Amino acid sequence: GENVEQHPSTLSVQEGDSAVIKCTYSDSASNYFPWYKQELGKRPQLIIDIRSNVGEKKDQRIAVTLNKTAKHFSLHITETQPEDSAVYFCAASSINTPLVFGKGTRLSVIA
Amino acid sequence: DSGVTQTPKHLITATGQRVTLRCSPRSGDLSVYWYQQSLDQGLQFLIQYYNGEERAKGNILERFSAQQFPDLHSELNLSSLELGDSALYFCASSSRTGLGGNTIYFGEGSWLTVV
Repeated sequence: GENVEQHPSTLSVQEGDSAVIKCTYSDSASNYFPWYKQELGKRPQLIIDIRSNVGEKKDQRIAVTLNKTAKHFSLHITETQPEDSAVYFCAASSINTPLVFGKGTRLSVIA
Repeated sequence: DSGVTQTPKHLITATGQRVTLRCSPRSGDLSVYWYQQSLDQGLQFLIQYYNGEERAKGNILERFSAQQFPDLHSELNLSSLELGDSALYFCASSSRTGLGGNTIYFGEGSWLTVV
């Protein structure tokens, strides 16, 4: 089955700097790659997603890139703000499999 | 608000007991997923139902079972509870055909504490 590895497990950045979180997946049939943000004690919320027919997608300060050949995808957050502090999860799924999540990255933005 | 409703929000029970967690999906969604999140752990997929039928099974223990009813709500039954079952249990739903590659929306979760 699908296996998703996520790095780093923790990340601290200064406010205004960029943050990058990387994930790799194992199933070449995976075609959908969402990113979720989870604040303490809250539900995971979708922040951006990308499908396998696209190499990059941006939404304001957030961007995701996908390299299908290398089977990895990354989340980029620019101009980080304290409210970006949370746990971020990457995930992958194919047409026949449900979402498999990485173990998460705890991002701390230091003011 | 995602539109996915879970009850109860918090539950404390003793080892050996049985509990039932309930989930109502977003209006119109046919797929329901259950995930378990333990302390400092990721989201472990347990099971998926689509329109009343089991669609996919993940790392769900034999002591756990689930079902989806004709009105599309779902219940996760946890029995012979152990301390290690203490976790946040999330239900999620999606609007597509039940196959993968779909955006899923999470409920607020049910906090289970086994003492």
